Order: sequence, then C-alpha cells, then structure tokens
Amino acid sequence: EVQLVESGGGSVQPGGSLRLSCAASGFSFSIYSMDWVRQAPGKGLEWISYISDSSSSSIYYADSVKGRFTISRDNAKNSLYLQMNSLRVEDTAVYYCARDLSYGGNEYWLDPWGQGTLVTVSS
Amino acid sequence: QSILTQPPSASGTPGQGVTISCSGSNSNIGSNTVNWYHQLPGTAPRLLIYRSNQRPSGVPERFSGSKYGTSASLAISGLRSEDEGNYYCATWDDSLKWVFGGGTQLTVL
Repeated sequence: EVQLVESGGGSVQPGGSLRLSCAASGFSFSIYSMDWVRQAPGKGLEWISYISDSSSSSIYYADSVKGRFTISRDNAKNSLYLQMNSLRVEDTAVYYCARDLSYGGNEYWLDPWGQGTLVTVSS
Repeated sequence: QSILTQPPSASGTPGQGVTISCSGSNSNIGSNTVNWYHQLPGTAPRLLIYRSNQRPSGVPERFSGSKYGTSASLAISGLRSEDEGNYYCATWDDSLKWVFGGGTQLTVL
C-alpha cells in the first residue's frame, strides 16, 4: 500500500523553527517528485514547495515561504523534509506531503497525500 | 485569494446531479490537465479526478471531469449523502507552482 506519514508538527512561538518529516512506503520513493501543501484552519489548500526526484535537481517554493522554508529529501531513508524557520502566525496550518506524478509533458497530479501534521505558531 | 476560481458552495438532493466549475488562465488550466480532490473535515484530500477526466480505481463512475480552454468542471450524478464535503480543483501552473481553487462546499439536502 502506498503510504505517506507526516510527523514533526507542534506548537512554536513566532520566529521559531520546526522540521517536518514525511515517511514514504509502498513505492519507489526516489523516482518520484514530492510536494508540501498546507491548509490553514478553515481555509483552502495552499501549495508551498516541490522537489524533483532522486537528483533533487529542481526545487520550487511559494512566495509566501521562500527564504524561510527549505525542502529536502533522503532517498536512502525514503523520507521528505521541510525545515521551517522564522515562523509566523500565518504559517499555522496542517501540513501535508504528497507524491507528485506526471504523464507526458503537461499532465500532473498529486496522489496520495499524507494524513497531515498540525503546526501552530502562537505567542 | 485563490488562483483558480470555484463557487464557494453547491447543493443538491439525493439522486440529483450537480456540476462544480473551476476557472483559471492560460498558464495553468489552459496549459495543463486538471485534478479534482474531495476532502472531508479532519481528513486529507482524496484524488477524485486526474488528467482532467480520469478516475482512479475505486472512484465511482458517478464522478466525471472535463476541461475546455481555461476552465474545467466536475460533474457528480446520482448524489449521495457521502458526497458531502469540500471539492478542490488543482493544476500545475507554468510559473512553476501548483495552484488550487478555493474549494466548493457541497451539501446534499
């Protein structure tokens, strides 16, 4: 069974840091690109970062987190990470990792998603 | 404000059909296929439609997707109570980011 399990969420004060992890199982992790998507309480989905497959040659960030968050992966451990620094109140959200699939030149989709981990930034 | 535009709400009675729209631009829907997700409160989004009109295994034929130009739609026929929840459209944008609709809350009356 293809599965993604996030961990590392919690409560932190503004300006603090957290590192999220996403453990993958049931598929060849290294050949897939991966993403982080978040959802603030009562709000919609917001993409925040992408990392390409085994070589990690391509990394993209949403403007809202650029310069503060760093995505990385360890293919030997089948794990995806999100280092979050300089956290703000508006970063409070459930953070999901998702596998990024593609077919041809313009067909992309995210599936599956992990169950999410809650990050609360509050003083 | 979301890049893709969806109606905030939709409703129908059991057995009826409903359609949810998703509007974008040339750089996203106009260039790439569209995906639809269903989300129940407190759970992760579940893929419903991918590559604009493909259903993953396990998704009933009652769900169908289409894309035309810079817009897409999700059609649900034979509404059931378990169809309630939030529906999101999503696609890759050529500016190198995923974009989502704001979500449509579906109520089965």
